[in-house]
Amino acid sequence: AQSVAQPEDQVNVAEGNPLTVKCTYSVSGNPYLFWYVQYPNRGLQFLLKYITGDNLVKGSYGFEAEFNKSQTSFHLKKPSALVSDSALYFCAVRDSILTGGGNKLTFGTGTQLKVEL
Amino acid sequence: DSGVTQTPKHLITATGQRVTLRCSPRSGDLSVYWYQQSLDQGLQFLIQYYNGEERAKGNILERFSAQQFPDLHSELNLSSLELGDSALYFCASSVEGSPLHFGNGTRLTVT
Repeated sequence: AQSVAQPEDQVNVAEGNPLTVKCTYSVSGNPYLFWYVQYPNRGLQFLLKYITGDNLVKGSYGFEAEFNKSQTSFHLKKPSALVSDSALYFCAVRDSILTGGGNKLTFGTGTQLKVEL
Repeated sequence: DSGVTQTPKHLITATGQRVTLRCSPRSGDLSVYWYQQSLDQGLQFLIQYYNGEERAKGNILERFSAQQFPDLHSELNLSSLELGDSALYFCASSVEGSPLHFGNGTRLTVT
């Protein structure tokens, strides 16, 4: 079964500093990976995805993610954090219709990002 | 705004009762997904429908059922409710191969 792991429950970073939110994956076949963000009392918002191609994927709000096949990782990064980036971040992997998983996403446990002044 | 509409936003009910959660997908999206988010279980996939037919099933209890109607809106029915069913229930929609777009959820409180 496809799965992702987010090893950190919380990440704290000072505003203006670079941030990294970690994600590792376990898949059979090619990985289709995603990052979503959730603000309080809101649904999940799509940030970026990796399907194939460049290992550095650029997304919304200045976020990017680095796909590393040898380390089976897909870490979310931003060069300069903002207080407004404080939210809950989810890594996800997409199942394949071919394996009977429909097209659903399986999410990690989430990482709470706190950006402080 | 994701374009996915969920109603109601909040629902408070008693144990043993039955409720229906409604989801209207984004225009043109044929797939609807239901997820449950709770503090102890995280985000759990419940079920997916594609153009009216069930496509994938996850950790959905037998007390729960869903359907997708010809106009593509979907309903999630939860019956014989227990305290542990209290959670945020999200609906998402997508076109084939594209990212899922989530609604703002229905917060269910079972007392």
